Amino acid sequence: AQKVTQAQTEISVVEKEDVTLDCVYETRDTTYYLFWYKQPPSGELVFLIRRNSFDEQNEISGRYSWNFQKSTSSFNFTITASQVVDSAVYFCALSEAPGETSGSRLTFGEGTQLTVNP
Amino acid sequence: NAGVTQTPKFRILKIGQSMTLQCTQDMNHNYMYWYRQDPGMGLKLIYYSVGAGITDKGEVPNGYNVSRSTTEDFPLRLELAAPSQTSVYFCASSYSGDGSGNTIYFGEGSWLTVV
Repeated sequence: AQKVTQAQTEISVVEKEDVTLDCVYETRDTTYYLFWYKQPPSGELVFLIRRNSFDEQNEISGRYSWNFQKSTSSFNFTITASQVVDSAVYFCALSEAPGETSGSRLTFGEGTQLTVNP
Repeated sequence: NAGVTQTPKFRILKIGQSMTLQCTQDMNHNYMYWYRQDPGMGLKLIYYSVGAGITDKGEVPNGYNVSRSTTEDFPLRLELAAPSQTSVYFCASSYSGDGSGNTIYFGEGSWLTVV
């Protein structure tokens, strides 16, 4: 069975601080995908990144960066120079490779509430 | 460019009532899913479908039914609403032929309260 653990339930930082959200996963699959989603107070899910299990390169997108380490089964997310608009719940999720009988089912972590104070 | 559309967005039900959450997608995706999100929690899979006429249970299917008579629609039915079904429901879809991986599209969510 797949499992995603986000040990940090809540994080509070002051604007311009850097913050890292941790994600640890468990899976028996050799091919899998990892995701990060943002859920702002309005409630919708905003896709941030997808990474497959064969691509361990770190990725940077503006103030966002992701560190994928298969050796520790972690897929951590860092926001540099945080802003108030970054305040949201962030979810890490895992899916197996798409299959004809399984689709692309996601297993979500319980989320980390990030609050960025001015 | 509608994507995944869910209705209604908000609903209050009385215990024992029934209702259907509608979900439709216009991207010709073969895979569709229903998730629920309880307060302060992550999303959990209720049911999913890999094509018209094919549905299967996810992690938390009790109290729900689904059908997939067309590629576009994947309604979720609550037969006898219970307070434990108070949650936010998300419909999603994806495409098996997505060569770049599995891009999953979510609807905006449906807030359901059972009183």
